[in-house]
Parts: sequence; structure tokens; C-alpha cells
Amino acid sequence: AQSVTQLGSHVSVSEGALVLLRCNYSSSVPPYLFWYVQYPNQGLQLLLKYTSAATLVKGINGFEAEFKKSETSFHLTKPSAHMSDAAEYFCAVSDRGYNQGGKLIFGQGTELSVKP
Amino acid sequence: DTGVSQNPRHKITKRGQNVTFRCDPISEHNRLYWYRQTLGQGPEFLTYFQNEAQLEKSRLLSDRFSAERPKGSFSTLEIQRTEQGDSAMYLCASSPGQGDSPLHFGNGTRLTVT
Repeated sequence: AQSVTQLGSHVSVSEGALVLLRCNYSSSVPPYLFWYVQYPNQGLQLLLKYTSAATLVKGINGFEAEFKKSETSFHLTKPSAHMSDAAEYFCAVSDRGYNQGGKLIFGQGTELSVKP
Repeated sequence: DTGVSQNPRHKITKRGQNVTFRCDPISEHNRLYWYRQTLGQGPEFLTYFQNEAQLEKSRLLSDRFSAERPKGSFSTLEIQRTEQGDSAMYLCASSPGQGDSPLHFGNGTRLTVT
């Protein structure tokens, strides 16, 4: 069975500082991995996805994530935080490929706060 | 691309009442998913349709819950005899179902059961 663990329910950084949000996964098949962002009272927006191509994945808004099979990790980073990055971030794994009708299994989320 | 639309945005109901939510997916997306999100948690999968066929249901979907997608376009999620534990955000997502296309989420319906 697939599962996702996000380390740290809340992360606080200063504006301009590095953002690092941690995600570890468990999967019985080669995983498809995703990061989504959620702003208050809104749905989820896809930041980036890993689908077995390049292990370093670049997404929107300057975010990127690196797939490390040996560590079963898919941590999200951004070199310099902006105030607008404050939101809830979710890591997710698909139990199958999207083209096989896979559903997403989400972690519990990490709330990112950005201090001026 | 007008996005996934969910109605209503908010619903307050008394315990024991029935409620129905609607989801309009992105046009021509043949896959539609329902998720439930409680405060401080990630979304939990409830059920999934490919066109009009309901292909998978979570154990979370008790017999008080029913979802339909009669013509393979919009979908409804009905909760009968609501309980306070049903209070949550109900999210709908759709996907073209091809290649590695991602899920597109709506803004959700927030249900409060008093």
C-alpha cells in the first residue's frame, strides 16, 4: 500500500530564506509523486509532479523537488521564500499511474508561514 | 478551461438532515474524484468515476453517502442523516485520464453539521 509522511506540520521561515518541506513515501510500485499547495478556503493547486523522468523536478512559483529512491523522499524546496508562499502544502503519491486511474493519497500537510 | 466548479461553497445543516453537493468537472475530463478534508488533515479519497461508472469507493464512504455521475459529466454527492462527524470540506477533482495529466481540484464545499 502507498502512504506519505510529511515531517513537520508547521514550518516557519523568514522572507528570503530557504524553504524546505519534507516528504517521505512508501510505495509497493514505482511511485508517481506530487506536491500541491492550498490557500485558505480554496482547492488544491498542483506545484509539481514526478513521473519517473528526471529526478529533479521544477514546478511553478520557483519550487522544485528531488526524488531520492534510496531515501524514499521527495522534499520540496525553494531558494528564497516570499510572503505569498504562506499556505498549506501537501505531498501525495498515486497508487497507480494516472493513465491507469490512480487516485492520490495525501500526507497530512505542512503549513508554511513566512515572516517579514 | 473554466476549472472545476463546486456548489454550494458552504452548507450549514442540522444533524439528521440530508445534503447534496454538486461538482462540474472541466469539460471533457472523463475522470472525477471526490475527497474529504477535515481541519488540519490532508484530503482523503472517497470515490472515483470514469465517465458514468463508479469504479472505486473508499471504506470511508458509509452507506449514508452516495455519489452519482449519471451522464458522465457533473456529479453529485449526497449525505443522508448527517452527523456532526460529517463536518468537513468536500473536494472534487477531475482529470483527462491520459498520460500523467494531473488532478484539477475545485474550491470545495464546506459542510457544517450543527
